Amino acid sequence: RKEVEQDPGPFNVPEGATVAFNCTYSNSASQSFFWYRQDCRKEPKLLMSVYSSGNEDGRFTAQLNRASQYISLLIRDSKLSDSATYLCVVNPYNFNKFYFGSGTKLNVKP
Amino acid sequence: GAVVSQHPSRVICKSGTSVKIECRSLDFQATTMFWYRQFPKQSLMLMATSNEGSKATYEQGVEKDKFLINHASLTLSTLTVTSAHPEDSSFYICSARDELAGGGEQFFGPGTRLTVL
Repeated sequence: RKEVEQDPGPFNVPEGATVAFNCTYSNSASQSFFWYRQDCRKEPKLLMSVYSSGNEDGRFTAQLNRASQYISLLIRDSKLSDSATYLCVVNPYNFNKFYFGSGTKLNVKP
Repeated sequence: GAVVSQHPSRVICKSGTSVKIECRSLDFQATTMFWYRQFPKQSLMLMATSNEGSKATYEQGVEKDKFLINHASLTLSTLTVTSAHPEDSSFYICSARDELAGGGEQFFGPGTRLTVL
């Protein structure tokens, strides 16, 4: 079983739509969780950390559900510029080991 | 966020040559840096963890003699792909954490696209 699993998508949504992605992790002792965004042929860029209490940054909201071992990312009022691959990253034991999901591709269309 | 640079951004080389890629943390110190490889349409794959002043820790299946890592200072790690072959063509990305800042986030360099002819 993979450490981190994501639906690869693609999610094709119109501008203005609300879209949500989930990411499941296998290790219940996981400590830290992050969402990264990766544009085609570019490096991943940190979108937001995921705290136990949830985290909101503008149109983006991240949640952690420890009981079910998943994290989610909600994007409201999608923009064309939100089109990218969203990577879920989990740190199971300490900060020197990270596991990446395979990414969820989002296409926002006019 | 913290800034990580990588050089070169793109390299094309002949089969059998060695290629060195540099990864620098520009505004913070990093005792640990990470090297990843990404093939088209696939996720990042951790190759090794680079430790300042000591040997790198390689992931299973990654040849340490082929992918030489040196982390000689708190701001610089290098990855040398020795005797490169076409199957080594990939996108190589490094990352580092700002350990003094205390957060667990990794910051990535812009990546190096290696093409071996």
